Amino acid sequence: GAVVSQHPSWVICKSGTSVKIECRSLDFQATTMFWYRQFPKQSLMLMATSNEGSKATYEQGVEKDKFLINHASLTLSTLTVTSAHPEDSSFYICSASLEGNEQFFGPGTRLTVL
Amino acid sequence: AQSVTQPDIHITVSEGASLELRCNYSYGATPYLFWYVQSPGQGLQLLLKYFSGDTLVQGIKGFEAEFKRSQSSFNLRKPSVHWSDAAEYFCAVDRSNDYKLSFGAGTTVTVRA
Repeated sequence: GAVVSQHPSWVICKSGTSVKIECRSLDFQATTMFWYRQFPKQSLMLMATSNEGSKATYEQGVEKDKFLINHASLTLSTLTVTSAHPEDSSFYICSASLEGNEQFFGPGTRLTVL
Repeated sequence: AQSVTQPDIHITVSEGASLELRCNYSYGATPYLFWYVQSPGQGLQLLLKYFSGDTLVQGIKGFEAEFKRSQSSFNLRKPSVHWSDAAEYFCAVDRSNDYKLSFGAGTTVTVRA
């Protein structure tokens, strides 16, 4: 149980385009989902927290207009990287939790912006 | 600055040998503490966590960790590593008990035969 999936697992896009990443909790309803960014050989950095049906809470320094988060249902959250640039290339990881219990992590999405 | 520190970037250990991964945090109060393992192509998996109580915590896959308040440490140990333990290990802290995690930089463990 407690499986979280991400789609796509990797994506390559041209600079200036937008990319949407999906995060799904497959066997439980997640009241809260988190989005992280991980640079090579570095730690995970929390980008934002989203609760179903409400606006996401962004961490300091994360541009909310750049990284659009939608948590439309208890099993799906999406992260859209708008007008992507090469510096947005990274590994994006989501996690889902149920009423404050431990977070269950997705396998991540590798984004490469050319 | 408040932070989570994993001093060892990379550790190589022989199969069957013991393993200890260090983690220190610099927060005023005792936060919730976690160890995760990340294998290629897989999501982070929780090995164990400490909220309160017994300072020696048992986790999955034969791992344990000890919380030492005086040293602000939460080191992970395994008495005998297996080749399948080769992975990236992250210490994490929920500093405000609000389920937002701050991660250390990670330690890569290589297991040699």
